[in-house]
Amino acid sequence: GENVEQHPSTLSVQEGDSAVIKCTYSDSASNYFPWYKQELGKRPQLIIDIRSNVGEKKDQRIAVTLNKTAKHFSLHITETQPEDSAVYFCAASRGGNTPLVFGKGTRLSVIA
Amino acid sequence: AAGVIQSPRHLIKEKRETATLKCYPIPRHDTVYWYQQGPGQDPQFLISFYEKMQSDKGSIPDRFSAQQFSDYHSELNMSSLELGDSALYFCASSLVLGREGPTGELFFGEGSRLTVL
Repeated sequence: GENVEQHPSTLSVQEGDSAVIKCTYSDSASNYFPWYKQELGKRPQLIIDIRSNVGEKKDQRIAVTLNKTAKHFSLHITETQPEDSAVYFCAASRGGNTPLVFGKGTRLSVIA
Repeated sequence: AAGVIQSPRHLIKEKRETATLKCYPIPRHDTVYWYQQGPGQDPQFLISFYEKMQSDKGSIPDRFSAQQFSDYHSELNMSSLELGDSALYFCASSLVLGREGPTGELFFGEGSRLTVL
């Protein structure tokens, strides 16, 4: 089955700096790659997703890149703010109603 | 807009007891997923249903069972509870076109926090 590796497990950045989180996946049939933000005790919330027919997607301060050949995808957050502090999870699925497989998560701390 | 509704939000049980969690998906969503998230862990997929039929099965213990009813709500039944079952249990729903269609966004409920003493 699918295996998703996520790095780093923790990340501290100064407010205004950029943050990058990287994930690799094992199943070449995976074609959907969402990123979730989760605050303590809350539900995961989708912040951006990308499908395998696209190499990059951007939404304001957040961007995701996908390299299908290397089977890795990355989340980029620019101009970080303290409210960006949370745990971020990457995930992958084969499409349709196949379940998402999550990475282990990255705890991002933005220091004011 | 309607969201995924889970109940109860909090549940405290003793070891070896049983527990039932309920999930009401977003109307017209055809797929329901159950995930278990231990403290400091990533969500682990348990089981899913597509159009009321079991679709995929993940790391769900034999002590757990789930079903989806005719009104599309789903229940996760947990028996012989163990301390290690203490976790947040999330239900999520999505609208997809079956296994060959594009993946629809998963909408998560607020979760049910189970504490086993």
